[in-house]
Amino acid sequence: AQSVTQLGSHVSVSEGALVLLRCNYSSSVPPYLFWYVQYPNQGLQLLLKYTSAATLVKGINGFEAEFKKSETSFHLTKPSAHMSDAAEYFCAVSVGGRDDKIIFGKGTRLHILP
Amino acid sequence: DARVTQTPRHKVTEMGQEVTMRCQPILGHNTVFWYRQTMMQGLELLAYFRNRAPLDDSGMPKDRFSAEMPDATLATLKIQPSEPRDSAVYFCASGRPGGPGEQYFGPGTRLTVT
Repeated sequence: AQSVTQLGSHVSVSEGALVLLRCNYSSSVPPYLFWYVQYPNQGLQLLLKYTSAATLVKGINGFEAEFKKSETSFHLTKPSAHMSDAAEYFCAVSVGGRDDKIIFGKGTRLHILP
Repeated sequence: DARVTQTPRHKVTEMGQEVTMRCQPILGHNTVFWYRQTMMQGLELLAYFRNRAPLDDSGMPKDRFSAEMPDATLATLKIQPSEPRDSAVYFCASGRPGGPGEQYFGPGTRLTVT
């Protein structure tokens, strides 16, 4: 069965520092992988997605993620954190086949320190 | 700018009352998902439709919850009778035909049951 594990429910970084949010997945089929962001009092918004093309995926707001099959990882990075990046981030994996569902991780709350 | 809309945005009700939440998916999307988000449980999938047909409602308490799609532009989630433990934010999301699991979320309905 498909699943995702996000390491760290809370991550704090200083403004201007590297952001690294970790996600490992488990999938019995070639996965589609996603990162979503949720700002306070809003719904989830797609940051980026991996659909078996390039392993390095660029998203909105300067974020990118790299698919590493050997490590079953899809970590999210941003070179320089901005105060506006403070939010909750969810990694997700598609169930696969004809099933439209995606399985979300428990989320990582990113705090930006001034 | 196509968006998923949800009404009401906030709802406060007393235990035992019926609650109806509405969602308008993005035009042309053929999948609709209902999620519940709480601090304790995170994001839970309640129900999912494709082409208005319910495909999975295994996450939904059957005795009090019901989800329907009367037409392609409206999805509803009803709780009858409501209980304090139903207090949560309820999100609707929609997806494109043939899309690899990518979902577009509405702003949510914040439900408080007293």
